[in-house]
Amino acid sequence: GENVEQHPSTLSVQEGDSAVIKCTYSDSASNYFPWYKQELGKRPQLIIDIRSNVGEKKDQRIAVTLNKTAKHFSLHITETQPEDSAVYFCAAKGGGFKTIFGAGTRLFVKA
Amino acid sequence: NAGVTQTPKFQVLKTGQSMTLQCAQDMNHNSMYWYRQDPGMGLRLIYYSASEGTTDKGEVPNGYNVSRLNKREFSLRLESAAPSQTSVYFCASSEVLAGGRTGELFFGEGSRLTVL
Repeated sequence: GENVEQHPSTLSVQEGDSAVIKCTYSDSASNYFPWYKQELGKRPQLIIDIRSNVGEKKDQRIAVTLNKTAKHFSLHITETQPEDSAVYFCAAKGGGFKTIFGAGTRLFVKA
Repeated sequence: NAGVTQTPKFQVLKTGQSMTLQCAQDMNHNSMYWYRQDPGMGLRLIYYSASEGTTDKGEVPNGYNVSRLNKREFSLRLESAAPSQTSVYFCASSEVLAGGRTGELFFGEGSRLTVL
């Protein structure tokens, strides 16, 4: 089955710097790659997603890139702000109904 | 529009007791899911229901059963709770898009279960 690995597990940046989180997946049939943000004590919420027919997608300060050949995808957050502090999860899904998550990255943005 | 609602929010059980987590969604989604979240392990899929009347195993189904009661409701049952089932449980739902693709997952607020 699908396996998603996510790095780093913890990331600390200064406010205004960029943050990059990387994920790899194992199932070449995966075609949907969402990213979720979970604030402390809250539910995970989708922040951006990308499908396999696209290499890059951007939404204001966040962007995702996908390399299907290498089976890896990344989340880029620019001009980080304290409210970006949270746990971020990458995920992968194939043609079925199973969305498989990475282990998460805890991002700290220091003011 | 409440989205995904799950109950209870907190529960403490003794080893061997049983309980059912309830989940309901009001977004008319076809697909529903149960995940568990443990520190350092992300969200792991326990069971899912692609549509009303169907259920399938996820990554970690052992020790759990599910029931898709109707389109809105999807329950998770622990028949004989074990300390290893101490976790935060999330119910989620998603829409089936054109071409059979599924969209984003909408999560409930979570249920924190402790098994002593």
